[in-house]
Amino acid sequence: DVKVTQSSRYLVKRTGEKVFLECVQDMDHENMFWYRQDPGLGLRLIYFSYDVKMKEKGDIPEGYSVSREKKERFSLILESASTNQTSMYLCASRHSGGYTDTQYFGPGTRLTVL
Amino acid sequence: AQKVTQAQTEISVVEKEDVTLDCVYETRDTTYYLFWYKQPPSGELVFLIRRNSFDEQNEISGRYSWNFQKSTSSFNFTITASQVVDSAVYFCALINAGNNRKLIWGLGTSLAVNP
Repeated sequence: DVKVTQSSRYLVKRTGEKVFLECVQDMDHENMFWYRQDPGLGLRLIYFSYDVKMKEKGDIPEGYSVSREKKERFSLILESASTNQTSMYLCASRHSGGYTDTQYFGPGTRLTVL
Repeated sequence: AQKVTQAQTEISVVEKEDVTLDCVYETRDTTYYLFWYKQPPSGELVFLIRRNSFDEQNEISGRYSWNFQKSTSSFNFTITASQVVDSAVYFCALINAGNNRKLIWGLGTSLAVNP
């Protein structure tokens, strides 16, 4: 079974804080993704990584950065958290056999920025 | 342009009823893949099915079935004899070579199955 874990289920931070969201997968998948999910807006891709040390911007990268130093770990960084970054954050991984392969998701981190 | 439309925002049924969740997609590519995911209240997105554009056979898995019709660009999902545990938000998604090969998501249908 594919297992994707995220460091926290719930997180509360203050405006201006630096926030790290961690994602780990145990299936040796090359591709990893970060999404945010908001009511009425669905899932939106923030960043993705095809392999270690590689990253590409998704649809809404502003205010975020990422790090992929090891294959199994993909970190999302909010350099200076703002209230409009309050959201559900979902991490996913995918084998790189083809872009059509299935993405498998972690349990999500519900972040509140006060 | 690529797009996925789930016109039903919320559906409420009574346990044991059958329910169909609609998914209509738009793409110019001839090769594409369609997915359904389930998101229960716990929040995790659970993969249900992947179907490619060349396989129009309907799929059945237990109480779940999927009807793929290219003529109407639809990939509908039916739950037979619904159960309370089916209560979740269900998402339909599309991927093809366009749009930088990213998943295109519908906005989801929230299904409530009441006892």
